[in-house]
Amino acid sequence: GVTQSPTHLIKTRGQQVTLRCSSQSGHNTVSWYQQALGQGPQFIFQYYREEENGRGNFPPRFSGLQFPNDSSELNVNALELDDSALYLCASSPYGGQNSPLHFGNGTRLTVT
Amino acid sequence: GQNIDQPTEMTATEGAIVQINCTYQTSGFNGLFWYQQHAGEAPTFLSYNVLDGLEEKGRFSSFLSRSKGYSYLLLKELQMKDSASYLCAVSWNRDDKIIFGKGTRLHILP
Repeated sequence: GVTQSPTHLIKTRGQQVTLRCSSQSGHNTVSWYQQALGQGPQFIFQYYREEENGRGNFPPRFSGLQFPNDSSELNVNALELDDSALYLCASSPYGGQNSPLHFGNGTRLTVT
Repeated sequence: GQNIDQPTEMTATEGAIVQINCTYQTSGFNGLFWYQQHAGEAPTFLSYNVLDGLEEKGRFSSFLSRSKGYSYLLLKELQMKDSASYLCAVSWNRDDKIIFGKGTRLHILP
């Protein structure tokens, strides 16, 4: 399945954070979502074959990477209090609108 | 915009039937997903509709009307374990993004 690390993280405002994800075997598309408490997941961006393939309404301090082994990173610079949320990574077997997303268990980020 | 609307919360009784509605903007619509998310866990895929009509999968069914921009998830013979959030998500023709609604929190009463 999809695995994410770490499971929980506490950071201070202004710091930088890197979250990691390993996609399900055979999946070459990865998407990152931010989920605030009691809300639905908000789309951050998607990567397909190591290229950013779509981006949601998030500022440039949110950036990502996808590696040849289909693992992925989400980097957030200059952390703000509002960045506190569950960050979900989801992979799918191919790029396109018809593939169900397979989610990891998420990283709970707290910014103080 | 890509407004996806679903009720915030619903309550139903164990053994009963509940219908969770979802409406969305029809322009550029491609397909619609339903996910279940238990508290503190990842969303899990329930169903995908791209054509009009009803898709049945055990106790869960999902319906789509493309012209009306409307879908529902029907849960039958409710069990306590069905207490969860149910997320409606839409994919669009112009890109590969899948956009989620805010979710419907379903409470099951004994």
